[in-house]
Amino acid sequence: SYELTQPPSVSVSPGQTASITCSGDKLGDKYACWYQQKPGQSPVLVIYQDSKRPSGIPERFSGSNSGNTATLTISGTQAMDEADYYCQAWDSTFVVFGGGTKLTVL
Amino acid sequence: QVQLQESGPGLVKPSQTLSLTCTVSGGSISSGSYYWSWIRQPAGKGLEWIGRIYTSGSTNYNPSLKSRVTISVDTSKNQFSLKLSSVTAADTAVYYCARSLGRGGYSGSEQYYYYYMDVWGKGTTVTVSS
Repeated sequence: SYELTQPPSVSVSPGQTASITCSGDKLGDKYACWYQQKPGQSPVLVIYQDSKRPSGIPERFSGSNSGNTATLTISGTQAMDEADYYCQAWDSTFVVFGGGTKLTVL
Repeated sequence: QVQLQESGPGLVKPSQTLSLTCTVSGGSISSGSYYWSWIRQPAGKGLEWIGRIYTSGSTNYNPSLKSRVTISVDTSKNQFSLKLSSVTAADTAVYYCARSLGRGGYSGSEQYYYYYMDVWGKGTTVTVSS
């Protein structure tokens, strides 16, 4: 079965750039999206179709996808960006999620 | 603004069937070309997709749960539902419903398909315990 692999944790200083990766076999041939989930809240879509931002998502969130890796980049990271982030793709007939990455802003 | 709300029993006994309903408000479940999905998340763990339904009634399920899952839609009530049979403690989780968009086609000679969930319910906790 298809798998997406994310680092369990990423740390970043406020104002710096955070990069969260999502790896899967030929992931670049698929479309990836990203969700942000804060404690006790539902996930929120922050990137879809590799690099598109839904309305209301700050411009500091961007995405890319090539080869075997999709990347979520948060420029000028703010304390409010501290959350769990999940990548997701579609494989054959079902959804696959990455295991999630906890982003710590310190 | 479309909103989704999950409802159902918070406690289910082992071996019984878990039944949840998602009520869609602020728009018709039949309008647009949306799929309607169920996702779950055990405490402290990641997201697991359960399955989806189109308003035509066509479904797709996670292969790991397929033998126990049924998702249905009631357009007259603007609701869709989840049934998960023969539950065990491993099915204890927060269950979310979500609106989804899926599109496929060809870019040149390359086939593509994208799928994402853009509106989520708040989630409901289901505990499996005797």
